[in-house]
Amino acid sequence: AQSVSQHNHHVILSEAASLELGCNYSYGGTVNLFWYVQYPGQHLQLLLKYFSGDPLVKGIKGFEAEFIKSKFSFNLRKPSVQWSDTAEYFCAVNAPGGYNKLIFGAGTRLAVHP
Amino acid sequence: DGGITQSPKYLFRKEGQNVTLSCEQNLNHDAMYWYRQDPGQGLRLIYYSQIVNDFQKGDIAEGYSVSREKKESFPLTVTSAQKNPTAFYLCAAGQAKLSNQPQHFGDGTRLSIL
Repeated sequence: AQSVSQHNHHVILSEAASLELGCNYSYGGTVNLFWYVQYPGQHLQLLLKYFSGDPLVKGIKGFEAEFIKSKFSFNLRKPSVQWSDTAEYFCAVNAPGGYNKLIFGAGTRLAVHP
Repeated sequence: DGGITQSPKYLFRKEGQNVTLSCEQNLNHDAMYWYRQDPGQGLRLIYYSQIVNDFQKGDIAEGYSVSREKKESFPLTVTSAQKNPTAFYLCAAGQAKLSNQPQHFGDGTRLSIL
């Protein structure tokens, strides 16, 4: 069965610090990968996605993620975080060819201090 | 305004009581999903439906039931058989088989036990 691991459950940063959140998945075949973000009091929304092509994908609000197939990883990065990036971040994966079912990681809570 | 509407926002359940969470979408998506979100566990799939009058169990379906009588609606009933129902419940909609397309999420319902 597919699974997704997010290594950091809680991350605390100061504004302007760089961010990298780890995500590893277990499925060996072709996958589609997503990062979702949940801001306090708001609904879950898509940050970025990868399904083919350039392994470095750019999302909203200056976020990017790199798909490294050999490492089964899809880490999220941002060079300089802002207080408004305080949120919970979820990595998710699904496998094409089947139904559109997402497997989520446990999430990473990011707190950015001004 | 298009999207997923979940109601109520907060719900309290008494022992032995069944409660129903509402989810409506106006995105014209074929597929709808129910997830349960617990701290430190991410989102886990309860039930999903690819088409009207059809639905499948997800990873944690025990103690829950659903119906899909209309494309726009996918209510979730938390039955008295669910012994630990306190959680945040998220409804989503998406394309049934285009797995590189993201799912869209509602604002959630927080269920607590009285």
